[in-house]
Amino acid sequence: DIVLTQYPDSLAVSLGERATINCKSSQSVLHSSNDKNYISWYQKKPGEPPKLLIYWASTRESGVPDRFSGSGSGTDFTLTISSLQAEDVAVYFCQQYYDVRTFGQGTKVEIK
Amino acid sequence: QVTLKESGPSLVKPTETLTLTCSFSGFSLNSIGMRVSWVRQPPGKALEWLARTGWDDDDVYSTSLKTRLTISKDTSKNQVVLTMTKMDPADTATYFCARVYCTNGVCLDDYWGQGILVTVSS
Repeated sequence: DIVLTQYPDSLAVSLGERATINCKSSQSVLHSSNDKNYISWYQKKPGEPPKLLIYWASTRESGVPDRFSGSGSGTDFTLTISSLQAEDVAVYFCQQYYDVRTFGQGTKVEIK
Repeated sequence: QVTLKESGPSLVKPTETLTLTCSFSGFSLNSIGMRVSWVRQPPGKALEWLARTGWDDDDVYSTSLKTRLTISKDTSKNQVVLTMTKMDPADTATYFCARVYCTNGVCLDDYWGQGILVTVSS
């Protein structure tokens, strides 16, 4: 199975500041057939289902605020929240869909 | 309007078999591109992808759990059933089902149920 390792496990950011979450894959998730990275990002709040934010590593899902962005290729990926809002407090997970789907262990984002 | 809802027991005993049902509306598993997947989250832990089924009968299971899982669909009832054998306290989790919509080469979990908490305890 492809193992996704996120870092840091948690971070505290001041309101309006940037939050950066990293996700490293145990093998490349860049598919040669279409030159796309099979990585998505989810936001998970307590008592709510996961919410898809980003797919193809950098494509924002419809309705997701543009302060959320994704980048990276191959084995290294980043989710950036450009200006943290109070409603962004959550745990964020990367997921690969290159092979049988797996998630990273999650990164908890809090307000400093 | 797409909706999904998980149902099943909130408490099971160790070694028992868990049966969960995902009842959905607003789409059909007979439609090309439509799938339903199951994901779980133990309290305070990571999300874990479990299994999926869909229009193409291409059922896929988590590598680590595939010997314990069975997924099936009843398209006439708009339901997907997940069974997990040999339940253990480590399987205590909130179980979610999600619609997976496949288009343009990508399959996205775009709608989710609210989840059902299943506790494994004697």
